[in-house]
Amino acid sequence: QLQLQESGPGLVKPSETLSLTCTVSGGSISSSTYYWAWIRQPPGKGLEWIGSIYYSGSTYYNPSLKSRVTISVDTSKNQFSLKLSSVTAADTAVYYCARLGRVVFAQADYWGQGTLVTVSS
Amino acid sequence: QSVLTQPPSVSGAPGQRVTISCTGSSSNIGAGYDVHWYQQLPGTAPKLLIYGNSNRPSGVPDRFSGSRSGTSASLAITGLQAEDEADYYCHSYDSSLSGVFGGGTKLTVL
Repeated sequence: QLQLQESGPGLVKPSETLSLTCTVSGGSISSSTYYWAWIRQPPGKGLEWIGSIYYSGSTYYNPSLKSRVTISVDTSKNQFSLKLSSVTAADTAVYYCARLGRVVFAQADYWGQGTLVTVSS
Repeated sequence: QSVLTQPPSVSGAPGQRVTISCTGSSSNIGAGYDVHWYQQLPGTAPKLLIYGNSNRPSGVPDRFSGSRSGTSASLAITGLQAEDEADYYCHSYDSSLSGVFGGGTKLTVL
């Protein structure tokens, strides 16, 4: 059974960079041809797409976040990561990593449990 | 403001049928991108409910169905049960191949 687990600091200071890692178990990022995504949800609000990455490294970002976002993949560790720079309180959210299907516009069929990141001094 | 528009809330009595609409534009749903639906129970991660407009993953009851037409899509739930009370989100993509979501619909079972 595929499992995804987010990890990283739960508290980030304003103007700093938020860094999260998603560790995939029960399957290999490099041996499959899936896309992988980061999605966030501010407290009490709806879902927001951050971006996605192919196992080869191709990325697709939300245009509204593109200038601040970097998503990368480390196949040797079976992980993919998110970096969001110059954070503000508006970036406070539960951050989810997810597996998409084999095309870039596919569904998110496996999700991590989510990790709350609070931006505060 | 979400790219896809959903009603904030819907409600129905047990056993009834409810539908949730998801309205997009010519740059996302209308461009031919598939629509997917998720169910989110309080405090949990979203769960895939419908993919590719109308397909159910294994384990999802056939009380849930989806459809897409033009720039819109809809999720229908028949034989409403108390356990269906949750938030529902539609999901598609736009021409930049970035995902887009609806604002979510809270389903209340009366």
